[in-house]
Amino acid sequence: GENVEQHPSTLSVQEGDSAVIKCTYSDSASNYFPWYKQELGKRPQLIIDIRSNVGEKKDQRIAVTLNKTAKHFSLHITETQPEDSAVYFCAASINNNNDMRFGAGTRLTVKP
Amino acid sequence: DAMVIQNPRYQVTQFGKPVTLSCSQTLNHNVMYWYQQKSSQAPKLLFHYYDKDFNNEADTPDNFQSRRPNTSFCFLDIRSPGLGDAAMYLCATSVGVSEQYFGPGTRLTVT
Repeated sequence: GENVEQHPSTLSVQEGDSAVIKCTYSDSASNYFPWYKQELGKRPQLIIDIRSNVGEKKDQRIAVTLNKTAKHFSLHITETQPEDSAVYFCAASINNNNDMRFGAGTRLTVKP
Repeated sequence: DAMVIQNPRYQVTQFGKPVTLSCSQTLNHNVMYWYQQKSSQAPKLLFHYYDKDFNNEADTPDNFQSRRPNTSFCFLDIRSPGLGDAAMYLCATSVGVSEQYFGPGTRLTVT
């Protein structure tokens, strides 16, 4: 089965700085990699995703990079704001198999 | 407008007393998922339905069952809740392998 490891478990940055969260996966057949943001007491919400036929995807201040050879993908948040503070989960899913494995999560704190 | 609805939002049950959690969706998505999330942990997939096909995770206890009578509804049955089953239960939906839309969750307390 798929294993997804996520680092760091906690990350504290100053407002305006960048934040990077990294994940590795074990199954080379994985080909869909979403990132979810979960604020305290709320449901996870997708912030960005990437499929294995793409190496990088960007949406305003958020970007995701994927290295299929090394089996790792990363979330990059630039110009962080206090409202970016939340727990971020990476996940990996195998195509034609809706099994989703989540990383353990990263608690991001953006200090004003 | 709510797209994935879970009822109840809070459920208290006694040790060993069966409980059913419900999820409904207005998105007409073909896949529905049930996750268990404990405090400060990642959501853990219990099972999912791809249309009517039920897919159980290998490590999901037999104590947990699910039903999907139609596209819109999915139920999580916990036959004999133990103290370790206290958690937030999240329902989610998707169209195939794509973004999952999560419901607000049901917080289960076992006394």
